[in-house]
Amino acid sequence: GAGVSQSPSNKVTEKGKDVELRCDPISGHTALYWYRQSLGQGLEFLIYFQGNSAPDKSGLPSDRFSAERTGGSVSTLTIQRTQQEDSAVYLCASSLEGRSGELFFGEGSRLTVL
Amino acid sequence: DAKTTQPPSMDCAEGRAANLPCNHSTISGNEYVYWYRQIHSQGPQYIIHGLKNNETNEMASLIITEDRKSSTLILPHATLRDTAVYYCIVRVASGGGSNYKLTFGKGTLLTVNP
Repeated sequence: GAGVSQSPSNKVTEKGKDVELRCDPISGHTALYWYRQSLGQGLEFLIYFQGNSAPDKSGLPSDRFSAERTGGSVSTLTIQRTQQEDSAVYLCASSLEGRSGELFFGEGSRLTVL
Repeated sequence: DAKTTQPPSMDCAEGRAANLPCNHSTISGNEYVYWYRQIHSQGPQYIIHGLKNNETNEMASLIITEDRKSSTLILPHATLRDTAVYYCIVRVASGGGSNYKLTFGKGTLLTVNP
């Protein structure tokens, strides 16, 4: 499909383990965002990538969280030493340069930390 | 800091128009009004945006008051599939810095009833 693709769709892990979540943005979209949404809560901004500029990591909740975007396309969000409070749906979105208010979201990766 | 105010919930009868209000009394001259919706268990979906003129697309119409302090999203013929949380967001259309981020509030849960 031509939409934003995220994997895995569901991930169950044990407390203390590391997890990687992947996002494939829409081809040609230069901006990529990560948000997370805890059960019954709103969307919380995590990190933003725009082209070759340095990413804005201001929303990352702790140094256990990191993200990279290789080749200006695929992005990976890594959570080290997961905690139960990390349980949430992690949403990726992308947008065209110059139309950065029109985000296209993926279906999300649901992370459950036991 | 909350820039928009929306009612927490609304009901609408199937086939009738759904009018979702949003107050943004502190909106700046270069800020647009964006609307998104999030159907249960899905990622948010862009609906429409506008600056000061009324806008219409295949999904909805956006009516912005002349003073730009409030707006209304109109779904002309609501269906059961329009049941979702609707988010009203204000931000600059593009550009760098912290202004690019879309900050999602709690939105309005619209329930379309048969």
